[in-house]
This record gives sequence, structure tokens and C-alpha cells, in this order.
Amino acid sequence: QKEVEQNSGPLSVPEGAIASLNCTYSDRGSQSFFWYRQYSGKSPELIMSIYSNGDKEDGRFTAQLNKASQYVSLLIRDSQPSDSATYLCAVGASGGSYIPTFGRGTSLIVHP
Amino acid sequence: GAVVSQHPSWVICKSGTSVKIECRSLDFQATTMFWYRQFPKQSLMLMATSNEGSKATYEQGVEKDKFLINHASLTLSTLTVTSAHPEDSSFYICSARGVDQETQYFGPGTRLLVL
Repeated sequence: QKEVEQNSGPLSVPEGAIASLNCTYSDRGSQSFFWYRQYSGKSPELIMSIYSNGDKEDGRFTAQLNKASQYVSLLIRDSQPSDSATYLCAVGASGGSYIPTFGRGTSLIVHP
Repeated sequence: GAVVSQHPSWVICKSGTSVKIECRSLDFQATTMFWYRQFPKQSLMLMATSNEGSKATYEQGVEKDKFLINHASLTLSTLTVTSAHPEDSSFYICSARGVDQETQYFGPGTRLLVL
């Protein structure tokens, strides 16, 4: 059973702070990793994907992957109230035939 | 970026009727489509995976005779909720992935209310 674990939160940070969201996974064969953001009542939207160990930056977002430790994280710099949402971690194998496994999501609250 | 649409966005129906939800990939060919259901304040639950031209693969506990999935073309998949009951009221979300893509893109979702 492939598992993806996330702390459900809520994680509360003040505006302007760095929010750190973590995700661990059980399948060592996982090759692709994704972070989605889901606002209440909306469907998930892709924030970032990462495939190699290390950091990947996109604007205020940085994804960090450590395959040896089987964790992937998302840092949000200069957090804004509009970042308040549930963040979903998804993990999959390589190739086009895999079914990704989603975590249950971490609720982030950025307060002014 | 890749765009996935769903129609309708909202549907209200009487108990016992059937409801069809369409999922379309607008700017790419989706070889694989996924159907999810999400109840309020709960996590995404994968219902089934469909590959173009073949039968859908349903997750354990999902009734394939109740939730009919058709992935007849590379841009369209449909989910039909047959004989809907109030407990089927939920947020149904599709996602799609192309043959050369690692990423799945989500549609905006369909909110179903069965009275």
C-alpha cells in the first residue's frame, strides 16, 4: 500500500513569514512529486512538480526533494493571506501509466 | 498550461435520476483521466482511472454499475451517476494526463446535489 503522509494542520503563520509544508511517502520507487493547492470549494491546482533531489524554485515557492529520506517539502516565502488553502502532496512512479497517490493535505492559514 | 474543463459545474437532481458529467481536455490529448469525489472537509478520493479506448479501472468500494465511466476519445471522458441518491451528493472532480506528461491537471469540478 503506497502511502503519502501529511500533517493535516492547520498550520498558522503570520503574513510575510515562511510557511513550511512537509510530506513523506512510503514507495521508494516514486519518481515524480507534485504540490497542489486547493482553495475551499474549488478543485486542486498545480503549484509545482519536482523529480530530482534538491531544491526547485518558482517565485515564492520552493519545493525540496530528498529521495533517500523519502520526503518532499514546499516552502512558501513572504506568505500572504491569499495563500491560505489546503496543500496537497502527490507522489507517483515514472512513466505515463502510474496512478498518483495523494496525501490528505495540510491546511495553511496565513493571518494578517 | 494544460486546461481541463468540466460540465456542468452545478447539478441538482431528484433521487432516482441519472446525471452525466463531462470532462474535456481542451489543449492536449488526455490518454488517462481520473475521477475523484470529495465530501466537505475531506480529502480527495479516487474513484476510477480511465484510459482512452479501454474500460475504466475502479477503486475498491466504488460501484462500477452505479458510476459509469466512458473515455471514448482523447479529449473527452464522461461520468454517469445512475439512479442517484442523496448520499451521492458530493463534489466530483476529473483530472487528465497526456501521453507525454507526468503531471495531471484538474478540472474545476462538478457539485452534485441529489434531493
